[in-house]
Amino acid sequence: EDKVVQSPLSLVVHEGDTVTLNCSYEVTNFRSLLWYKQEKKAPTFLFMLTSSGIEKKSGRLSSILDKKELSSILNITATQTGDSAIYLCAVFVLGNTPLVFGKGTRLSVIA
Amino acid sequence: SAVISQKPSRDICQRGTSLTIQCQVDSQVTMMFWYRQQPGQSLTLIATANQGSEATYESGFVIDKFPISRPNLTFSTLTVSNMSPEDSSIYLCSVATGTHNEQFFGPGTRLTVL
Repeated sequence: EDKVVQSPLSLVVHEGDTVTLNCSYEVTNFRSLLWYKQEKKAPTFLFMLTSSGIEKKSGRLSSILDKKELSSILNITATQTGDSAIYLCAVFVLGNTPLVFGKGTRLSVIA
Repeated sequence: SAVISQKPSRDICQRGTSLTIQCQVDSQVTMMFWYRQQPGQSLTLIATANQGSEATYESGFVIDKFPISRPNLTFSTLTVSNMSPEDSSIYLCSVATGTHNEQFFGPGTRLTVL
C-alpha cells in the first residue's frame, strides 16, 4: 500500500527561526511529490518536485527531493506568524489516481 | 492551474437532513475528487467523481451516504445524506491537471451538524 509519512506532526517555533519539515514515501511508480500549505480550509499548492537534487524556491520557502532516500524536505527560513499552518506532503503515482497524502505537519510560529 | 469554486462555503444543519455541495471548475478536467477533513485530522479521500459513470468510493464511504454527481467535465456535487454530528467536517473538492496531476483544491465547505 502506498504510504506518505511526515515528521514532525507538530512544531512550535519563534519568529525568525528556520524550520525543516520532512516527508518520506513508500510508493510504487513514483511520479512526483507535492507540498501544500493549509491555513483555514483549502490547501494551497506550494511546490511540485519530480527530479532529485533540484531545489525549488519561493521566497523564504524551499524544497528538495531525494529519490534515493525516498524523501523530501521543506525549509522555511526567517519564519513569520503568517507561516503558521498545516503543511501537507503528497505523492503522485502513475495512473489516473489521486494524490497520496501524508498526515501533515502543524507549524505554529509564535511572536 | 484551475479556478475552483464551491458552495455553500459553510452551513449548519440539523441531524437527519441532507446537504448538497456544489463544485464548479473554470476549465474541463478529467479527474475530480471529493475529500473530507474532520477536525484535527488530515485529508481523507471520499471518492473520485467520474464523468458519465458512477463515482469510485474509497473504503469506508458508500454511495447511499455520499451520493456524487458528475454531469460534465466542469461540475460535480457531493451530497451528505442523513447527517449526524460525526459528519461535521470540511468538505473539499479537488481537481487534477497537467502531466504530473497537480491537484488544486476548492475553497472548501465547512459543515456543522447539530
